Amino acid sequence: EAQVTQNPRYLITVTGKKLTVTCSQNMNHEYMSWYRQDPGLGLRQIYYSMNVEVTDKGDVPEGYKVSRKEKRNFPLILESPSPNQTSLYFCASSLLAGTDTQYFGPGTRLTVL
Amino acid sequence: ELKVEQNPLFLSMQEGKNYTIYCNYSTTSDRLYWYRQDPGKSLESLFVLLSNGAVKQEGRLMASLDTKARLSTLHITAAVHDLSATYFCAAGQVGAQKLVFGQGTRLTINP
Repeated sequence: EAQVTQNPRYLITVTGKKLTVTCSQNMNHEYMSWYRQDPGLGLRQIYYSMNVEVTDKGDVPEGYKVSRKEKRNFPLILESPSPNQTSLYFCASSLLAGTDTQYFGPGTRLTVL
Repeated sequence: ELKVEQNPLFLSMQEGKNYTIYCNYSTTSDRLYWYRQDPGKSLESLFVLLSNGAVKQEGRLMASLDTKARLSTLHITAAVHDLSATYFCAAGQVGAQKLVFGQGTRLTINP
């Protein structure tokens, strides 16, 4: 089944404790992206990647890191999480370009205490 | 910079009624998407509109695009409870490799 997977789905952590949210797609897509969803703000892009080893900042990159060492994986790293990073996070992928139809993962609900 | 605004943000309606969600975008875009999100779930692509005057329909949902007005609409005909969800529009930002999302419209359809 073609899909985007994320892990973990739910995470409660404390301020300053490094964490990684994994994202993997099995559709051989070139483009991958991370979003955060907050009430009233829609989805805001954190980082995106056009291909392996090519990443770029989205609209709200502060406090996040990403890497793209393999085509299928695009982990999101929070090196020192803070409470304002409490949010619902989605990974998405598309075939070639960021403006192609994006397919979303199931989401990761993160709470930072 | 491309900005996307939806209205209304909240919509409560009765089954059987018709209504429209509006999506305005601020600068040129070459495509417009509509997504659906059920509570606690991910986003599912509904429609992609690629040209002026494009109209797509599936079941009780119909989406249209007016690129001159920079406006897309999602029309719901004879609403049923199963259509309760949050609907997002997203515009493709030309040259920026990204989709810009609206705030979402939370639609509640009451029996």
